[in-house]
Amino acid sequence: GAVVSQHPSRVICKSGTSVKIECRSLDFQATTMFWYRQFPKQSLMLMATSNEGSKATYEQGVEKDKFLINHASLTLSTLTVTSAHPEDSSFYICSARNGLEAFFGQGTRLTVV
Amino acid sequence: DAKTTQPTSMDCAEGRAANLPCNHSTISGNEYVYWYRQIHSQGPQYIIHGLKNNETNEMASLIITEDRKSSTLILPHATLRDTAVYYCIVRAYNNAGNMLTFGGGTRLMVKP
Repeated sequence: GAVVSQHPSRVICKSGTSVKIECRSLDFQATTMFWYRQFPKQSLMLMATSNEGSKATYEQGVEKDKFLINHASLTLSTLTVTSAHPEDSSFYICSARNGLEAFFGQGTRLTVV
Repeated sequence: DAKTTQPTSMDCAEGRAANLPCNHSTISGNEYVYWYRQIHSQGPQYIIHGLKNNETNEMASLIITEDRKSSTLILPHATLRDTAVYYCIVRAYNNAGNMLTFGGGTRLMVKP
């Protein structure tokens, strides 16, 4: 089946630094990818929709200047958390559609100290 | 996309069938029922989807009522590794560009 690979799986960074998370569709092309955030014991919340070759669409309340999304190719989208703060610590998950099915990366656990 | 309602949690004995219900009373004619699960600290995993006919694959069976207002995901022989949060999601076939909206899901605990 289709595979979405997310890297890194876990990252710890200092407050004020930036962190880049990569999301790749390994065996299919994805013109659209999605970025979710999940806090402990809560459900996934959509942050933004990443569109290949154009600007990302952000959900209400998500700062586009803080969460930079780049979808430079049909198989790669990146999420950069800029000037990270402890409240940005969360589980970040990407997703890409292949036909009727949506496939998810394994998630990135970000801890900002 | 139509809203879904699922029980918050369920228990199941190992080796027995796990039946997870989902209500989607406002589902419209072009909307599919999808099931995903999320094992702790992992990304969601696709399980199965259907429109109106019952579906079965190597992971599970999906039973959709004739009026399509509810469905049941069946794990025929639950194992400890099936402990996870199970999400029932309804979305339109032509909603290809749009995201999946996750509700609270059902936390299934499979016990020895």
